[in-house]
Amino acid sequence: DGGITQSPKYLFRKEGQNVTLSCEQNLNHDAMYWYRQDPGQGLRLIYYSQIVNDFQKGDIAEGYSVSREKKESFPLTVTSAQKNPTAFYLCASSGMFSREGDYGYTFGSGTRLTVV
Amino acid sequence: RKEVEQDPGPFNVPEGATVAFNCTYSNSASQSFFWYRQDCRKEPKLLMSVYSSGNEDGRFTAQLNRASQYISLLIRDSKLSDSATYLCVVNSMYNFNKFYFGSGTKLNVKP
Repeated sequence: DGGITQSPKYLFRKEGQNVTLSCEQNLNHDAMYWYRQDPGQGLRLIYYSQIVNDFQKGDIAEGYSVSREKKESFPLTVTSAQKNPTAFYLCASSGMFSREGDYGYTFGSGTRLTVV
Repeated sequence: RKEVEQDPGPFNVPEGATVAFNCTYSNSASQSFFWYRQDCRKEPKLLMSVYSSGNEDGRFTAQLNRASQYISLLIRDSKLSDSATYLCVVNSMYNFNKFYFGSGTKLNVKP
């Protein structure tokens, strides 16, 4: 079955440490995204990529980095520069829009990152 | 002004009730519209797309009003299992791969 896989499900980071969250999809989707969700709040866009080897900053990119070396993979690194990284991180992918209403997002099951 | 705005709720309704949520969007160039459902501590899942002509899927009906720039979701005969947060999602025809999420409306269906 096609889908999008995030790992790990839970991640604990020490202060000053960089950590990388994995996101892999086998849906043949061109676009991939990283969102952050804080308790009781909506999703905020960190980075997105519409094509291999290209990505764009979202609304809250500071303290994060990404790469898109393969269509299937879009890892997110949370660097030590991100001062408040504890959150629920969601990866998503989407196909290209061909007509009205087509192709919403497909989300991974998320990674809960906690700073200890 | 936020791109997408929703009443956070919570909407507390008894089983069997009909409940409706609205979501307003600020960009008149928005092209595609969706409702997602998010259960507690889970990822959002697509509930339904929203077409210009409106669409219905069982107990759920979605409507789009371009003139007033809002979309709505109507749930009939509410079930306990409908309890969740409902997210409104909108994207732009100018950056069609960039989506904007509302912060969600929480629904609690009670016995």
